[in-house]
Amino acid sequence: QKEVEQNSGPLSVPEGAIASLNCTYSDRGSQSFFWYRQYSGKSPELIMFIYSNGDKEDGRFTAQLNKASQYVSLLIRDSQPSDSATYLCAVNMDYQGAQKLVFGQGTRLTINP
Amino acid sequence: DGGITQSPKYLFRKEGQNVTLSCEQNLNHDAMYWYRQDPGQGLRLIYYSQIVNDFQKGDIAEGYSVSREKKESFPLTVTSAQKNPTAFYLCASSRGDGVGTGELFFGEGSRLTVL
Repeated sequence: QKEVEQNSGPLSVPEGAIASLNCTYSDRGSQSFFWYRQYSGKSPELIMFIYSNGDKEDGRFTAQLNKASQYVSLLIRDSQPSDSATYLCAVNMDYQGAQKLVFGQGTRLTINP
Repeated sequence: DGGITQSPKYLFRKEGQNVTLSCEQNLNHDAMYWYRQDPGQGLRLIYYSQIVNDFQKGDIAEGYSVSREKKESFPLTVTSAQKNPTAFYLCASSRGDGVGTGELFFGEGSRLTVL
């Protein structure tokens, strides 16, 4: 069973601090990795994707990928109350010769004013 | 504005009834997907379609059926064979061929409750 694992939280972070969200995956051959944000009762929206080892920055968000350790993370700098949401990690994995997007269970993040 | 429209937003069903959830997109995307989300869980793939008149089962297809007669439309039927249908159902589309891109655009979701 190919899996994506996240700590379900809740993760509580004070406003203005850095929120760090982590994800591990089982398929060593995976090549593309995604972070989706989901507000309560709403549908997910893509906020970051990363394909290469290292860091990728977009505004206050930084995605980090370490394929050797099978680990991907999302950092949110200067956290705001509007960042409070569930963050879903998704990884493309080989599935019977095709690629399939596998989601983790999500980490619930709360930013405290 | 381009996007994905799901309807209805809320649906109540009696046990033994089939229900159909609508999904329409005007993004000109080739690939469309149906996911199910249960409380505190990630998304699980029910069915996906890469081209018109073709679709494949995902991880939890039992008790569900789909059709893809038009590029824009991918309706999902929840049949009476689905034992635990109460869930949040999400339709998505992508530019890429099949599930390879990972860059999914989601509809607003349909919340189904079985009474």
